[in-house]
Amino acid sequence: GAGVSQSPSNKVTEKGKDVELRCDPISGHTALYWYRQSLGQGLEFLIYFQGNSAPDKSGLPSDRFSAERTGGSVSTLTIQRTQQEDSAVYLCASSLTASDTGELFFGEGSRLTVL
Amino acid sequence: DAKTTQPTSMDCAEGRAANLPCNHSTISGNEYVYWYRQIHSQGPQYIIHGLKNNETNEMASLIITEDRKSSTLILPHATLRDTAVYYCIVRASGTYKYIFGTGTRLKVLA
Repeated sequence: GAGVSQSPSNKVTEKGKDVELRCDPISGHTALYWYRQSLGQGLEFLIYFQGNSAPDKSGLPSDRFSAERTGGSVSTLTIQRTQQEDSAVYLCASSLTASDTGELFFGEGSRLTVL
Repeated sequence: DAKTTQPTSMDCAEGRAANLPCNHSTISGNEYVYWYRQIHSQGPQYIIHGLKNNETNEMASLIITEDRKSSTLILPHATLRDTAVYYCIVRASGTYKYIFGTGTRLKVLA
């Protein structure tokens, strides 16, 4: 499809395990964003990438969280030593470019449950 | 960190106009106002954005006050499918980091 694709759609893991969440942005989009949404809450900004520039990591909640974007396309969000409070829906979005008029296109999210 | 304030929830009768307010009193002169909505269990969807002038598209209208300290999203003829959480966003100054607040939960009633 032509939209933002995220995988897995659902992930259940045990406390202390590492998880990787993947995002395939829309082809040609240079900006990519990760957000987290806990149950019943709004979206919490985590990180964004724009082209080859250094990513804005200011929203990552701890050093257990990291993200990379290889080749300016696919991105992986990694959570190490998961905790129960990491349980949330992780949303990825992309836009043609990071600009004032950039419209964000969101994926359906990856629901992470930490037992 | 959200730079906007919205009512927690609103109801609207089906077929009537839904007017969703947003306060952004600290907005800077070159910052746009964006509106997104999130229908249950889906990713947020872009609706509209504006800088100074009122804007209209096939989904909605955006009315921005002259001092730019507040705006209103108008859904002219609300349907049951418009039931969603609506987010008003002002991008963090100097970045392209979009901070979503808690939004307004709009319920369209039959």
